[in-house]
Amino acid sequence: SQQGEEDPQALSIQEGENATMNCSYKTSINNLQWYRQNSGRGLVHLILIRSNEREKHSGRLRVTLDTSKKSSSLLITASRAADTASYFCATDAIYNNNDMRFGAGTRLTVKP
Amino acid sequence: NAGVTQTPKFQVLKTGQSMTLQCAQDMNHEYMSWYRQDPGMGLRLIHYSVGAGITDQGEVPNGYNVSRSTTEDFPLRLLSAAPSQTSVYFCASSYPTTFSGNTIYFGEGSWLTVV
Repeated sequence: SQQGEEDPQALSIQEGENATMNCSYKTSINNLQWYRQNSGRGLVHLILIRSNEREKHSGRLRVTLDTSKKSSSLLITASRAADTASYFCATDAIYNNNDMRFGAGTRLTVKP
Repeated sequence: NAGVTQTPKFQVLKTGQSMTLQCAQDMNHEYMSWYRQDPGMGLRLIHYSVGAGITDQGEVPNGYNVSRSTTEDFPLRLLSAAPSQTSVYFCASSYPTTFSGNTIYFGEGSWLTVV
């Protein structure tokens, strides 16, 4: 079964708006990562947040982590058409950090 | 720096045929893995390796074999292809030996169709 589950499955916004995607997971983790996948391409790492961190920023990305709720959110501010892609969260299992599990992803469409 | 290279990009197989998906990385990463991605689902881990000569099963290993004779290469073998193995396959690598806290680098994917 998948460790991470993203919500919503699909999101459509206008350029300039903010996009928020959520990820929930089931078991304790060491860290949580967010990845982006353009259509027909491989995944690209965006940002990592460790289990002892609550918030992290990278450019227009803001990630939060709430380990008590087993959830994370990815905020993309001032979205651009080029941000159109699928976004995945990935978590390792605290019992086996060689086993990274990915959610089904959120498909983000940013309309120009 | 080529990163993670997968071949072939596209392949059509008949049920029962065998084939090997090749994966090579030039970043001297100890950790390599194979995932499959199906519509509406995330990536599911098939097999992984923490170094040459060491492999282990992931979430969905049945029907696949791997070997790791060198640090650079991690081929994935389909023993007897089935339509359920129609998917997009991604090879990935990371440094050092565990994924925890380390960026995973992905190949561009191999689209496999089994008819």
